[in-house]
Parts: sequence; C-alpha cells; structure tokens
Amino acid sequence: QQPVQSPQAVILREGEDAVINCSSSKALYSVHWYRQKHGEAPVFLMILLKGGEQKGHDKISASFNEKKQQSSLYLTASQLSYSGTYFCGTATEGAQKLVFGQGTRLTINP
Amino acid sequence: GAVVSQHPSWVICKSGTSVKIECRSLDFQATTMFWYRQFPKQSLMLMATSNEGSKATYEQGVEKDKFLINHASLTLSTLTVTSAHPEDSSFYICSARYRYHTEAFFGQGTRLTVV
Repeated sequence: QQPVQSPQAVILREGEDAVINCSSSKALYSVHWYRQKHGEAPVFLMILLKGGEQKGHDKISASFNEKKQQSSLYLTASQLSYSGTYFCGTATEGAQKLVFGQGTRLTINP
Repeated sequence: GAVVSQHPSWVICKSGTSVKIECRSLDFQATTMFWYRQFPKQSLMLMATSNEGSKATYEQGVEKDKFLINHASLTLSTLTVTSAHPEDSSFYICSARYRYHTEAFFGQGTRLTVV
C-alpha cells in the first residue's frame, strides 16, 4: 500500500526551511528518501531503519517514528539546488518491495 | 553512491514491436532489482521485483506476459516490452540493491515512445 506524503507541493524562498512528511498504514521496517529532478532518475538521499533513527547530511536530515509509522524529511536553509520532487519509499519487515509515495514537489525561488 | 546503468536512455518503436531495456549494477552485486513505471508528474509505480536466478514477482495489474523480466546475473536485469502499443509509452526506471533494507540505487531511466 502506497505511503502518503504531505504536503503535495511547497514553494519557498532560498534560505527558508521545509518539512516533508511520509506516513503509512503498515508497520514499517525502513523508509527511503529520494529527490528527483525533471526528466532525471531519482537520487538516493538517505535510509532510516526501524528503531527510531534520525540521520542528517549537510542541511538535510530525516527522522523515523516507528510508533506512528511516520517519517519526516527536514531541509534547512534551502538552496536552489534543493528544488525537485521528493519521494519517500517504504518497506515492511521481510518484504522485498519498496513502495513510493505520490511525491512532494519542492520549488525554491531566489 | 553505487552506480546503476540503464540502457537505452530513450527509444522510439513502432506499434507491435518488442523493446528490451537493460539495467546493470556496475560496482556491486544486486541481489534484487526493481522495475518502475512513471507517468508525467506522477509517482513511481512498482511493476515487479526480481531476484537473481528467480522468476520476477509482478504487482497486481501488471501483465507478466507483456512485460518480461529476466534477472540472469547479479549485475544484469532486463525488461522486455512485448508487442508494444502507444499506451505503453512511459518512463521506465530500474533500481538495484545489494540486500534487504539497504539503499536502492536508480538507473537513469528509459523513455519509451510507441508510435
């Protein structure tokens, strides 16, 4: 079953922060975050595993609340290069497949 | 990150012909490969999951006789669209991973146009 992302779209000015949420009705084992630019393949950002992980790299971080089956992606002091569509992919324990949410379109304006 | 190479990047074919798309993991052994289809401004819809040496597991609604998937080695999976029709036109993307619950890396995608 497809996870649900919110918001569907967000427009920011450079330097502002953004939060993208991903929630599932199923018990998750892992959450994967990707960014896709128009006409290109998705690029891996990070993976969070069951156990309540939090991770970050540069100004992008994410958390996974396994009790709520929710993950959030945090973009701090956004840059123009952060523009694109962000997808969360989820996997349940023991399941092979990675199912993606509908995506969140992020637009960063100067 | 690891490199997954997908070929061709785009293909235009005539209705009724078959098209083969290759997905290779260049620097790791991919025990699992996924094939997705993406329509403009929409999400990645999983078509099938394939494991090396095994038959692919297709998602509900995906015709396995139309979309033939072969995962003959740990570095190569192929998707063949048989008897393609205009409604099969789409962006097809593969991804590969080493094992369960590790990051999956995407190929560049193949834009298929059936005329």
